[in-house]
Amino acid sequence: QVQLQESGPGLVKPSQTLSLTCTVSGGSISSGDFFWTWIRQPPGKGLEWIGYIYYSGSTYYNPSLNSRVTITADTSKNQFSLKLSSVTAADTAVYYCARAPAVRFLVKSFDSWGQGTLVTVSS
Amino acid sequence: QSALTQPPSVSGSPGQSVTISCTVTSSDINSYNRVSWYQQPPGTAPKLIIYDVTYRPSGVPDRFSGSKSGNTASLTISGLQTEDEAYYYCSSYINSWVFGGGTKLTVL
Repeated sequence: QVQLQESGPGLVKPSQTLSLTCTVSGGSISSGDFFWTWIRQPPGKGLEWIGYIYYSGSTYYNPSLNSRVTITADTSKNQFSLKLSSVTAADTAVYYCARAPAVRFLVKSFDSWGQGTLVTVSS
Repeated sequence: QSALTQPPSVSGSPGQSVTISCTVTSSDINSYNRVSWYQQPPGTAPKLIIYDVTYRPSGVPDRFSGSKSGNTASLTISGLQTEDEAYYYCSSYINSWVFGGGTKLTVL
């Protein structure tokens, strides 16, 4: 059974870059059957897809965040990472990493999630 | 504003059935497929309960069922149990991945 675990600083200053890593166990991010995803949830609010990466390195981002987001993968460590630049208080959220099964390169859902990590943007 | 509209709350008594709707507001209805549903009890990560409109992942009780008609997808929970109390989110790919605003299910 695949498990995902987010890690990274819980506090980031405004205008700085938020950096998180997701470590995957029980499965390989090099599998062509999945996209590896970041999703966030501001406190008391709903879910927002940030983007995902395929093992080949192809990335797809939410257009509303596209200019500030970078998702990369390190297959040797079985990890993928998120960088979000120029953060503001509006980026305060629980950040989840998740796995997205792909059938013929078509993602249809997010079937496994990490427990999430709260990142607060504050000076 | 979310492209997927859900009611803020629904409620039901144990043993009853409830239905949560998810309506696409975008004019791009043809893209409204790949609907999935997620259950999120307070303080926990979301859990996939329905994908591809009607399919249940292994381990999800058959009390949970999904359907779609036109621009509205629905999640029905039959035989309500107290542990079903949670937030429920729909999701779909409409030019980008989007989630509904979430529906709080209260089991009275």
